[in-house]
Amino acid sequence: DGGITQSPKYLFRKEGQNVTLSCEQNLNHDAMYWYRQDPGQGLRLIYYSQIVNDFQKGDIAEGYSVSREKKESFPLTVTSAQKNPTAFYLCASSIKGEQYFGPGTRLTVT
Amino acid sequence: GENVEQHPSTLSVQEGDSAVIKCTYSDSASNYFPWYKQELGKGPQLIIDIRSNVGEKKDQRIAVTLNKTAKHFSLHITETQPEDSAVYFCAASPNQAGTALIFGKGTTLSVSS
Repeated sequence: DGGITQSPKYLFRKEGQNVTLSCEQNLNHDAMYWYRQDPGQGLRLIYYSQIVNDFQKGDIAEGYSVSREKKESFPLTVTSAQKNPTAFYLCASSIKGEQYFGPGTRLTVT
Repeated sequence: GENVEQHPSTLSVQEGDSAVIKCTYSDSASNYFPWYKQELGKGPQLIIDIRSNVGEKKDQRIAVTLNKTAKHFSLHITETQPEDSAVYFCAASPNQAGTALIFGKGTTLSVSS
């Protein structure tokens, strides 16, 4: 059963803690992406990776970090430097420009 | 860089009516235009896309049109049903391998029965 998985679905953290969101895909896609979605807003690009061991900052990379050690995995770390981390986080992968999304992780920081 | 504007932000229709959502883009190099449907609490789902060498594409009740000269593209949903209620996003991309999509801000479609 192919697809993109994100875990967990809901995540709660205390302010000041780093937290890592998981994203795995078994579609053999080269490119992977992280987006942030706030209520009533569109999707804003955090980071993307076109190949293993390489990634680029998106529009709102400050306070976030990523790694791409394996083709299948693109974890996102939300650091304590991110001022407003509470949001819905979406991971995606693409082939030939067609981008497919995972189910998302809703992060709440209090 | 690319900028995508989407209108309207909300759209309410009666079941069976048609719904049209419009997007404009700024970068003439963009040549791939997907549409996504997002239900509450879920990730966006790719429902239809169009590339710049095509003017129109249809899939059952959904169609997308592209006007490259005017730099706008539209999503048309005919015979709307309550299950069409969702947020719809348009996007644009130069379609180079791995290039990120630029999204519109979304349209909340409500279909009442």
